[in-house]
Amino acid sequence: GAVVSQHPSWVICKSGTSVKIECRSLDFQATTMFWYRQFPKQSLMLMATSNEGSKATYEQGVEKDKFLINHASLTLSTLTVTSAHPEDSSFYICSARGPPKTSHLGYEQYFGPGTRLTVT
Amino acid sequence: DAKTTQPNSMESNEEEPVHLPCNHSTISGTDYIHWYRQLPSQGPEYVIHGLTSNVNNRMASLAIAEDRKSSTLILHRATLRDAAVYYCILRDVGDTPLVFGKGTRLSVIA
Repeated sequence: GAVVSQHPSWVICKSGTSVKIECRSLDFQATTMFWYRQFPKQSLMLMATSNEGSKATYEQGVEKDKFLINHASLTLSTLTVTSAHPEDSSFYICSARGPPKTSHLGYEQYFGPGTRLTVT
Repeated sequence: DAKTTQPNSMESNEEEPVHLPCNHSTISGTDYIHWYRQLPSQGPEYVIHGLTSNVNNRMASLAIAEDRKSSTLILHRATLRDAAVYYCILRDVGDTPLVFGKGTRLSVIA
């Protein structure tokens, strides 16, 4: 149980275009989803936290108008990188957590396999 | 979040035990110690977590010092598939997200 998927697994786009990454919890309801970014040889950096039906909370330094997060259902969150530039090339990883106080699902974070974005 | 300190890298021979250390001298009473690992080009996966007592599961064991200022992740028999970056993370019982440090890159030699 507690499987999280991401789509696509990799994407190449041209500079100036927008790209959408989907994150789905396959076998549980994800009331909270997290988006991380990871540059080569570096650790994961938290970008934002979103609760289902609410606006996302962005970490300091992350542009909310550039990285649009939608969490409209309990099983799906999307990250849209708008007007992507080469410096946005990175490995984007989502993570999901279930309703609070519902055993391990409400506490542990389950991670997707990641999406590698390359902007040319 | 309280900080953790881990060695940048470690090496192990296949089939031998591996002890991955983590220092967390500023841990608070409500912080759980979590271990995640990230295989190459994949998302992190949960390994184990604990509060005060040592913990065992099918993947690993977690040994927690009595003063909780350090812990050790133990892989009983390293395999080539265990080569990954291992992250030791402190997290309290609330809703805070996991914050990743640099982790330890484990290499396993056949």
